[in-house]
Amino acid sequence: EVQLVESGGDWVQPGGSLRLSCGASGFTFSNHAMTWVRRPPGKGLEWVSSISGDGSGTYYADSVKGRFTISRDNSRNTLYLQMNSLRDDDTAVYFCARRSPPGTYYFDYWGQGTLVTVSS
Amino acid sequence: QSALTQPRSVSGSPGQSVTISCTGTSSDVGDYNYVSWYQQHPGKAPKLMIYDVKQRPSGVPDRFSASKSGITASLTISGLQAEDEADYYCCSYAGSSTYVFGTGTEVTVL
Repeated sequence: EVQLVESGGDWVQPGGSLRLSCGASGFTFSNHAMTWVRRPPGKGLEWVSSISGDGSGTYYADSVKGRFTISRDNSRNTLYLQMNSLRDDDTAVYFCARRSPPGTYYFDYWGQGTLVTVSS
Repeated sequence: QSALTQPRSVSGSPGQSVTISCTGTSSDVGDYNYVSWYQQHPGKAPKLMIYDVKQRPSGVPDRFSASKSGITASLTISGLQAEDEADYYCCSYAGSSTYVFGTGTEVTVL
C-alpha cells in the first residue's frame, strides 16, 4: 500500500525557516517524481514544487522560487522541502504527492498534510 | 502561473447532475491533454478522480465524467450522492514540469 506521511509543520515567525519531510513507502520511491502542493486557509490548492525521480530536476512556482528548495533522499525514501524567508502568505497545509509514472502528468497518491503557520 | 478559473460553488439535489467548469489559457488547458481533477473532503487529503482529461482511476464511480474543449475542461457528477459533497479542483500541466490548479469549487448536495 502506498503511503505518504508529511512532518515538520510548525509555527514560525516571518523571515524564519522550516524544513518539511515526507516519508514514502509501498512503492519504488526513485521511480517517481514527487511534488509539494499547499492549501492556504480558506483558499484553494496551489502547486509549489516538483522534483524528478533521481533528483536532478527541480521546479518551482514563482511564488516560492528563490526561497524554497525541494530535495529527496532516495536511500531514505524521503522527500524534503526547505522553506526560507517565510512570509505570512506561506501559511498553509502542505501536502506531498506522488506524480504518476513517467510520461504522465497527474498526482495519484497524496499524504494527509502538515500545517505551517507563519505569524508574528 | 495564474490559477485556472472554476465556479466558487455548485449545488444539486440527490440524483441530479452538476457540472464544474475549469477555464485556463492556451498555455495550460488549451495546450495539453493533461487535465486532472481532485476531490477533497474537509481535513482530508485530495483524491484523484480524473486524469488525462477524461480517464477514471480504478475505484472512482462512473458517475464522474469529464471532458475538455479548447481552454475549458469540465467535470460532471451524475446521480449526485451525499458523499459527493466536497471541494473539487482541476489541475493542468503547464509545461516545463510545472502545474497549475484551479480555484476550487464547493459542491453542495441539497
